[in-house]
Amino acid sequence: AQSVTQPDIHITVSEGASLELRCNYSYGATPYLFWYVQSPGQGLQLLLKYFSGDTLVQGIKGFEAEFKRSQSSFNLRKPSVHWSDAAEYFCAVGAMGGGNKLTFGTGTQLKVEL
Amino acid sequence: EAGVAQSPRYKIIEKRQSVAFWCNPISGHATLYWYQQILGQGPKLLIQFQNNGVVDDSQLPKDRFSAERLKGVDSTLKIQPAKLEDSAVYLCASGRQSSYNSPLHFGNGTRLTVT
Repeated sequence: AQSVTQPDIHITVSEGASLELRCNYSYGATPYLFWYVQSPGQGLQLLLKYFSGDTLVQGIKGFEAEFKRSQSSFNLRKPSVHWSDAAEYFCAVGAMGGGNKLTFGTGTQLKVEL
Repeated sequence: EAGVAQSPRYKIIEKRQSVAFWCNPISGHATLYWYQQILGQGPKLLIQFQNNGVVDDSQLPKDRFSAERLKGVDSTLKIQPAKLEDSAVYLCASGRQSSYNSPLHFGNGTRLTVT
């Protein structure tokens, strides 16, 4: 069965600083990988996804993520964080033939200092 | 397009009581999912519907949880009787089809507190 690990429970960055959120997955084949963001009291919003091809994927709100098969990682990055990026971020993995079912990590809570 | 609608937003019940949550997916979306999100954890899939049929309910605690999507549109998730550990946010999501190419759209969730 597939699984996701997000090692950082909380991260604090200053506005304007760069951001990297870590995600490691476990799955025997090429996974379907996703990053979602959740603001307080809101549902999850898809930031970006990776299925195949170019290992650097661009998403909404200036986010990008890089798939590294050798490290089983799919880290999320943003060059310059805005105060509105404060939220919880979830990495998720889907299995081939999984019918759009996702296994989520435990999330990383991002705090942005002004 | 209108998003995924869920109600109620909040519910507080005592243990051993019953509770029901409602979800109305985006129009035309064939797949519907219920996720349970316990505080400090990521969402966990409870059940997946394709139209009015259950595709996967392997993680649904069937002794107390039930869900239906009778007409293939809206869905109801019920807990009877509730336990303290059922306190969580229950998220509903829908997708146009059962494929990772079809993005999932999530509702804002129902926050359940069991006392």
